[in-house]
Amino acid sequence: RKEVEQDPGPFNVPEGATVAFNCTYSNSASQSFFWYRQDCRKEPKLLMSVYSSGNEDGRFTAQLNRASQYISLLIRDSKLSDSATYLCVVNGANAGKSTFGDGTTLTVKP
Amino acid sequence: NAGVTQTPKFQVLKTGQSMTLQCAQDMNHNSMYWYRQDPGMGLRLIYYSASEGTTDKGEVPNGYNVSRLNKREFSLRLESAAPSQTSVYFCASSEEWGQGYTFGSGTRLTVV
Repeated sequence: RKEVEQDPGPFNVPEGATVAFNCTYSNSASQSFFWYRQDCRKEPKLLMSVYSSGNEDGRFTAQLNRASQYISLLIRDSKLSDSATYLCVVNGANAGKSTFGDGTTLTVKP
Repeated sequence: NAGVTQTPKFQVLKTGQSMTLQCAQDMNHNSMYWYRQDPGMGLRLIYYSASEGTTDKGEVPNGYNVSRLNKREFSLRLESAAPSQTSVYFCASSEEWGQGYTFGSGTRLTVV
């Protein structure tokens, strides 16, 4: 079993739809969590940090569930420009222990 | 503000050749990282430098060496390139370990 698992998708949704991704992790001692967005043949870009209390940035909401060991990303009112691969990252307590998920591909269609 | 700058953007090597990938950041970040990204494998940490003067192995360090030249610069060296090292290499930095990364634009390396 991988330390960090994401549903690879692809998720194909119409514009305006709400879509949610989950990312599960196996190490209960994990310390910090992030979502990144990666466009085709580009570098990953930090989308948002993830906290137990949840955090929101415009149409994006991220949530951490420590008890069930998963993080989630919710995108509301999807735009064509949201089409990308979304990567979750889980950092351990020790420096150097940083694990990326393989990514979930989202395609938003007109 | 350039962020993280990587050079070169593309490189083709023959098996056994050596090369150094350069990375520099201008954000005064303490921590720097080298990742490789392969299809179906996600991003994997090669080496990292939690702070100036320190370097440590990540998940896949074999065949690579690094140098944290100063706070700004972190280079990755392939001493004897192998086809298995064909990949996209990303340098990244963060203010401290465990915080969000800023990535460079990547180096596409092919070893033939």
